[in-house]
Amino acid sequence: DGGITQSPKYLFRKEGQNVTLSCEQNLNHDAMYWYRQDPGQGLRLIYYSQIVNDFQKGDIAEGYSVSREKKESFPLTVTSAQKNPTAFYLCASSTGTAITGELFFGEGSRLTVL
Amino acid sequence: GQQVMQIPQYQHVQEGEDFTTYCNSSTTLSNIQWYKQRPGGHPVFLIQLVKSGEVKKQKRLTFQFGEAKKNSSLHITATQTTDVGTYFCAGWAGNMLTFGGGTRLMVKP
Repeated sequence: DGGITQSPKYLFRKEGQNVTLSCEQNLNHDAMYWYRQDPGQGLRLIYYSQIVNDFQKGDIAEGYSVSREKKESFPLTVTSAQKNPTAFYLCASSTGTAITGELFFGEGSRLTVL
Repeated sequence: GQQVMQIPQYQHVQEGEDFTTYCNSSTTLSNIQWYKQRPGGHPVFLIQLVKSGEVKKQKRLTFQFGEAKKNSSLHITATQTTDVGTYFCAGWAGNMLTFGGGTRLMVKP
């Protein structure tokens, strides 16, 4: 079945450690996105990529990094520079155009910093 | 940058009552989308509105897009316990999709 796979589902990290969240899609979508969701809050855009080897910062990119070496993959690294990394991270993909760009979400990765 | 605001933040209703959530953008939108997130789940796309003044229905759900393309609403008629979740609006401006803060709907059986 086509879809988006995020891993791990749950992750614990000590302060000062970098952690990488995986996002893979087999929908053949050009665009991919990373959102952060805090309890009881909306979704805030971290990074997005509309094409391989290109990506742009969203509203809250500080302390995060991404890569887009393959169309199917868009990993997110939460670095030690991110001051408050405990959150629910959602990866999404779309066909990439604003007019038809329904987002398909993965099941999310819940990161807890101890 | 673009801001999308939703009200109310929370809504408790008795099963069978109606429910409405409102969405307002600080900028004109090319279109607006609505998503539903069940507790513990991920957002799932419900619908997209593109035209000024557009109204769309999905069974008990009615979606409207304002004439100025800066506001939208979702109305649920006769809520059911299966409607529980958080409803988000999201607007495209350029290449970014910005989400509202969501309205969490709780339904008492």
